Amino acid sequence: AQSVSQHNHHVILSEAASLELGCNYSYGGTVNLFWYVQYPGQHLQLLLKYFSGDPLVKGIKGFEAEFIKSKFSFNLRKPSVQWSDTAEYFCAVNSRGGGNKLTFGTGTQLKVEL
Amino acid sequence: DTAVSQTPKYLVTQMGNDKSIKCEQNLGHDTMYWYKQDSKKFLKIMFSYNNKELIINETVPNRFSPKSPDKAHLNLHINSLELGDSAVYFCASSQAVDYGYTFGSGTRLTVV
Repeated sequence: AQSVSQHNHHVILSEAASLELGCNYSYGGTVNLFWYVQYPGQHLQLLLKYFSGDPLVKGIKGFEAEFIKSKFSFNLRKPSVQWSDTAEYFCAVNSRGGGNKLTFGTGTQLKVEL
Repeated sequence: DTAVSQTPKYLVTQMGNDKSIKCEQNLGHDTMYWYKQDSKKFLKIMFSYNNKELIINETVPNRFSPKSPDKAHLNLHINSLELGDSAVYFCASSQAVDYGYTFGSGTRLTVV
């Protein structure tokens, strides 16, 4: 069975600081990887996704993520965060051939202070 | 136009009642889902339907019964509500999971 770990549960940063949120998954086969964001009181929105090809994926709002197969990781990064990036961030994985099920990590609460 | 719409947005009800949550998507997607988000923000899949056919049924109490009258609609009926059912329930749809899900705005269910 696939699973996802997000080790940072709460992160507090000042505006303009750099961000890196960790995501590790456990599954031996080929996977699709996603990052979703949930702003306060809102639904989840897709930030970026990886299927194949270039392991460095660029998403919306200046976010990017790097797939490192040997480390089973898909960390999310942003060089300079803004107050409006305050939100909950979820990593998710789907195993190829695993059907339509996305398995989510437990989320990381990011708070950006002015 | 809202892509995935859920009603109601908020639902407060007493223990033991029966309630339904409705979901509709206008994206033409073949697959729809129900996810439960608990108080710690953990998201767990409950059900998935593909073209009106149930394809994923996680270990959910049988008090929860999904119904898909057509591929654009997936409703969730809950019998004999319990305090532990309090959560935010998200509907989502996808054409193929490779493209990710589109989520509805959620239904916050509070059982008192």
